[in-house]
Amino acid sequence: DTGVSQNPRHKITKRGQNVTFRCDPISEHNRLYWYRQTLGQGPEFLTYFQNEAQLEKSRLLSDRFSAERPKGSFSTLEIQRTEQGDSAMYLCASSLGSTGYLNYGYTFGSGTRLTVV
Amino acid sequence: QQQVKQSPQSLIVQKGGISIINCAYENTAFDYFPWYQQFPGKGPALLIAIRPDVSEKKEGRFTISFNKSAKQFSLHIMDSQPGDSATYFCAASLNSGNTPLVFGKGTRLSVIA
Repeated sequence: DTGVSQNPRHKITKRGQNVTFRCDPISEHNRLYWYRQTLGQGPEFLTYFQNEAQLEKSRLLSDRFSAERPKGSFSTLEIQRTEQGDSAMYLCASSLGSTGYLNYGYTFGSGTRLTVV
Repeated sequence: QQQVKQSPQSLIVQKGGISIINCAYENTAFDYFPWYQQFPGKGPALLIAIRPDVSEKKEGRFTISFNKSAKQFSLHIMDSQPGDSATYFCAASLNSGNTPLVFGKGTRLSVIA
């Protein structure tokens, strides 16, 4: 287990189709985050999990987006009825969280680049 | 409303020079400030982080300077190298980093020989 794995790396879909992305975090990390990044912008928070519990969802996460993390392991992000504005890089990150003064930061995957045509 | 403002958008530095990237934040409750480095086609990677109880943190050629009263922090890259050419993001979060990070828009650094 050398890092955060995201699949697929690239996805091209037609507008209106549903897509699903998968993220496999570092096995001992209890927190898992989804971010979206568009060209020339910083990552924007979408949602995050602690173990299997989804703790927070951004206002960016419309009802077309849903994320799951069954059994607190891998996570999936589904986008229903895709729109051209959904085209972006979807990044997954995992972390141990922070205890006291220690914080090891996020480990990001290489992302899934979604293109909606 | 952007919570973390980063400047400049892009930066060109001569090899061996000092690269300086600045960030300003609005939420005084932020208590964890990391910098991430991103190469094309890769996810961001943690570079260095600071908490507001110290004014400076140094790791190798990378230094964070933190000014709590001004709500600003900056990244200094000493002896910049072509391999440092990447996009750099500042970020901030609450509760010692236990809430999701809020990122700046990034600075594209090019180090030329």
